Amino acid sequence: QSALTQPASVSGSPGQSITISCTGTSSDVGGYNYVSWYQQHPGKAPKLMIYEVSNRPSGVPDRFSGSKSGNTASLTISGLQAEDEADYYCSSYTSSSTPYVFGTGTKVTVL
Amino acid sequence: EVQLVESGGGLVQPGRSLRLSCAASGFTFDDYAMHWVRQAPGKGLEWVSGISWNSGSIGYADSVKGRFTISRDNAKNSLYLQMNSLRAEDTALYYCAKTTGFGAPNDAFDIWGQGTMVTVSS
Repeated sequence: QSALTQPASVSGSPGQSITISCTGTSSDVGGYNYVSWYQQHPGKAPKLMIYEVSNRPSGVPDRFSGSKSGNTASLTISGLQAEDEADYYCSSYTSSSTPYVFGTGTKVTVL
Repeated sequence: EVQLVESGGGLVQPGRSLRLSCAASGFTFDDYAMHWVRQAPGKGLEWVSGISWNSGSIGYADSVKGRFTISRDNAKNSLYLQMNSLRAEDTALYYCAKTTGFGAPNDAFDIWGQGTMVTVSS
């Protein structure tokens, strides 16, 4: 099972919106609405930001939103803030012998 | 406070074994599936293994299948990972993660420990 494909880096200015893509196949992202997104600051554990494609856990700002079209899921951060600078990973359930797969990760830089 | 604390990491020679533990507190442990996720230095996240609430469903990444064994003791609120035949490529920070459910495909990893470092080197 190969990792889901994410852009290595995305950047934006404070207040802008950015979108991170997560591309898989019909065996993972495209086949299930079981995509989640995680934020990881340097030296810290990952934090769940979005689950089941578009649901936000309690406490996650509504600036974070998720969507999916075909084999590609997306995480959008609206009104970008300095504290959003971190690495972001998508994850999906898969029908392969390895039931969960993460994305390659995207470094978000706030200019 | 919901908390996961991993232990058992360290430096080990290739081919040897190591057992990781994860102590859970602040939630009803036996209501949730649990997983291990690892991160090699400077690299991304890699799912390693998961176990349902009652140990009835267990899964492994192809990279560790046949070498690693996940288990849990609900009476002790603890999760374990027995790692045998360790390789250099197993070097990573190993996270214990709680899921949002009992072990269904839609589970997400909502609580993470701080990780325990495993270094495989001669």
